[in-house]
Amino acid sequence: EPEVTQTPSHQVTQMGQEVILRCVPISNHLYFYWYRQILGQKVEFLVSFYNNEISEKSEIFDDQFSVERPDGSNFTLKIRSTKLEDSAMYFCASSATGIDTDTQYFGPGTRLTVL
Amino acid sequence: AQSVTQLDSHVSVSEGTPVLLRCNYSSSYSPSLFWYVQHPNKGLQLLLKYTSAATLVKGINGFEAEFKKSETSFHLTKPSAHMSDAAEYFCVVSDAKVSGGYQKVTFGTGTKLQVIP
Repeated sequence: EPEVTQTPSHQVTQMGQEVILRCVPISNHLYFYWYRQILGQKVEFLVSFYNNEISEKSEIFDDQFSVERPDGSNFTLKIRSTKLEDSAMYFCASSATGIDTDTQYFGPGTRLTVL
Repeated sequence: AQSVTQLDSHVSVSEGTPVLLRCNYSSSYSPSLFWYVQHPNKGLQLLLKYTSAATLVKGINGFEAEFKKSETSFHLTKPSAHMSDAAEYFCVVSDAKVSGGYQKVTFGTGTKLQVIP
């Protein structure tokens, strides 16, 4: 069964450093998303992406965040200058077009630890 | 606007007894509703989904959920808990399409299910 994959599973970085989190969505999906979950808190929407542009972003997704689909398979989230409060689990998700567009399939997540 | 409320942050049951995880939603439109499960240090796995077909939805691992419009509820149940069911469960609501054609989802705060041997 196709699934969303994410790398790395765990990333440790120093405050102020740039990180890139990578995702490979399900191959025939066209909508892509990033969410984050700070430890002990709810899953929060960051951004959605379709047709090579951002469809919607939350207030969390400020100028230090960016997303890119550099090729036909990867979808990346970049944090330019990490802060301690960026420590969280980051989930990538994708969904298809058509009648199943409401169902988002999630990857296993990348745990980001900012020291 | 859409929102979802999971009424219990923690539920504890004995192995072999029924499970009930409660979820109430608010939506301006006819929503799609989902339950996802997250095992420790794992990602979010789709358990089941309601999209205006049958109101009783069967999912994986013996779970099911009933959509009750009059009560704006979508509670998750399982007749007999297994140790492997210990995890965190998220109720998710998705309604009107936003720009770009996809449907925005909102997560509940999650319910941690403990299964006692």
